[in-house]
Amino acid sequence: SSELTQDPAVSVALGQTVRITCQGDSLRTYYANWYQQKPGQAPVLVIYGKNNRPSGIPDRFSGSSSGNTASLTITGAQAEDEADYYCNSRDSSGNHLYVFGTGTKVTVL
Amino acid sequence: QVLLVQSGAEVRKPGASVKVSCKASGYTFTSYDINWVRQATGQGLEWMGWMNPNSGSTGFAQRFQGRLTMTRNISIGTAYMELSSLRSEDTAVYYCARAAWDDSGSYYNDYWGQGTLVTVSS
Repeated sequence: SSELTQDPAVSVALGQTVRITCQGDSLRTYYANWYQQKPGQAPVLVIYGKNNRPSGIPDRFSGSSSGNTASLTITGAQAEDEADYYCNSRDSSGNHLYVFGTGTKVTVL
Repeated sequence: QVLLVQSGAEVRKPGASVKVSCKASGYTFTSYDINWVRQATGQGLEWMGWMNPNSGSTGFAQRFQGRLTMTRNISIGTAYMELSSLRSEDTAVYYCARAAWDDSGSYYNDYWGQGTLVTVSS
């Protein structure tokens, strides 16, 4: 089982805001990265580190962290944001080993 | 532009091994780690391990210790992932991904290969 836990599914109305959470002990020490994956495609990095967006990722995506919980917020969700989202960070050993969260399916209504 | 191009689909019998390649281009191959991640059909992402192409150092998730090998050929900018003692549960799409560090010490995968389907079936 994953050491990073996410809600299996969330839904959001078009243009509204949705927050996806990721819980795990390692998040008290390390930031989470976030990946978006659409069916049949490789994952795409959307947020890394404290709150950094790679080139080409819209600014409606943002990241935050508090205690053992990391969050990805989509402000003004668009139809193209419908996808699976995965968090990723170090595993609980604190060594240079990593783990993905269980994933959250985001549906845009 | 940065590209990671993986080898084609493979079919193996239980107990056999499989070796998947990942050819990097558009950047200095030895300057970034390569990670491997897999995904069974309908399931989530599973992080497998990392390799430093410069030193050849590796680190593997506990569950793959003993049957996972990562190597590289610097002259052709290619990383390899070999998984042995295959079982049906290893059927999945295997991805390579470039790994980078940011100033805060975060380690993230900024470019991904297209994925390689490995099917384990008798």
